[in-house]
Amino acid sequence: GIQVEQSPPDLILQEGANSTLRCNFSDSVNNLQWFHQNPWGQLINLFYIPSGTKQNGRLSATTVATERYSLLYISSSQTTDSGVYFCAVDYKLSFGAGTTVTVRA
Amino acid sequence: DTEVTQTPKHLVMGMTNKKSLKCEQHMGHRAMYWYKQKAKKPPELMFVYSYEKLSINESVPSRFSPECPNSSLLNLHLHALQPEDSALYLCASSQSQGNSYEQYFGPGTRLTVT
Repeated sequence: GIQVEQSPPDLILQEGANSTLRCNFSDSVNNLQWFHQNPWGQLINLFYIPSGTKQNGRLSATTVATERYSLLYISSSQTTDSGVYFCAVDYKLSFGAGTTVTVRA
Repeated sequence: DTEVTQTPKHLVMGMTNKKSLKCEQHMGHRAMYWYKQKAKKPPELMFVYSYEKLSINESVPSRFSPECPNSSLLNLHLHALQPEDSALYLCASSQSQGNSYEQYFGPGTRLTVT
């Protein structure tokens, strides 16, 4: 199956800081999703982005399919951004290990 | 409305019990999924139903038995589970099965097997 690697594994931010999360995948994909898992376990859809760039408020994402990576940008981070961010690819959703983000007030 | 609901939220069961997890969506989606997530790990696919037929079983032990009674409902029947089956069980749905379709997840059922 497709291997998905996320970096960094952990990220600690001061409120208001910007950050970039990376997702590398081992083969071409036609499906890529970013999720935020909150402390209660709910997976919240952030982006469906097999290619190109999208923005939603303080979050944006870019996928360069030909180079097999995707980036998630968080700007002006808030404490509510804390949680685990997952990248997942393929229709069977192979997940990366996630990036745990902690935003401190 | 992109909502998938799951019941119960929490479940504690003994190794000899039989229980069921339920998932429901009213988005008209025709593909539904069960995932299992152990603590501090990513979700892993268990089953996929497409148009109410089982299309993928990721070599899941037979003590987990999925059922799709209609296009809106997905059940997971549990029997003779082991303590290592304790996990968060997530249901998801998408418009159809395939790469062009975004999956939406329910809030999960947190299962503890004693």
